[in-house]
Amino acid sequence: GNSVTQMEGPVTLSEEAFLTINCTYTATGYPSLFWYVQYPGEGLQLLLKATKADDKGSNKGFEATYRKETTSFHLEKGSVQVSDSAVYFCALRDAAAGNKLTFGGGTRVLVKP
Amino acid sequence: GAVVSQHPSWVICKSGTSVKIECRSLDFQATTMFWYRQFPKQSLMLMATSNEGSKATYEQGVEKDKFLINHASLTLSTLTVTSAHPEDSSFYICSARDVVVNTGELFFGEGSRLTVL
Repeated sequence: GNSVTQMEGPVTLSEEAFLTINCTYTATGYPSLFWYVQYPGEGLQLLLKATKADDKGSNKGFEATYRKETTSFHLEKGSVQVSDSAVYFCALRDAAAGNKLTFGGGTRVLVKP
Repeated sequence: GAVVSQHPSWVICKSGTSVKIECRSLDFQATTMFWYRQFPKQSLMLMATSNEGSKATYEQGVEKDKFLINHASLTLSTLTVTSAHPEDSSFYICSARDVVVNTGELFFGEGSRLTVL
């Protein structure tokens, strides 16, 4: 079956530091890949997505590239802010699996001033 | 963006009682809503797909008599945890897709934390 694995947190870093959250996946078909973010006290929000190999999703300074050869979709941001403190979820949606979203375990990021 | 609201955001109940959680799409219509369960430090697990005007579709291993889902209108789905027990304590999250502006994006509620004593 499909699965998503992402690095465990918490990840603690200082403001303006570089952030990377690793995400790898297994899928039976050709999935679309997503990063969702959950700020404290709020619901999950779509951060970015990529629908095919080599696509790069980007939003709010975050980027992730769909790497089919390594089955990865790592999230990066060059200079984080305190407001980026949140839980980040990597997810995939696979038409071969009924288009259901499969989530990774989530990574909590804490940015200190 | 579209807003999905859950109520209550947290609830504590005694073992053996039933608890109802509401999921509302505030500014859009959703023929389909999804219910997830999240255990501490774990991923979201899809429990069921709620279909407006018809029966919900449950994922394997989810007890349909335990977790009753009703989707009576295009803006409201409810999840009732019947005869709750401590092992049902969890974070329940719903999501919905805008059927009119169909970008395929899912919008999530803020979640409802259930604690069964």
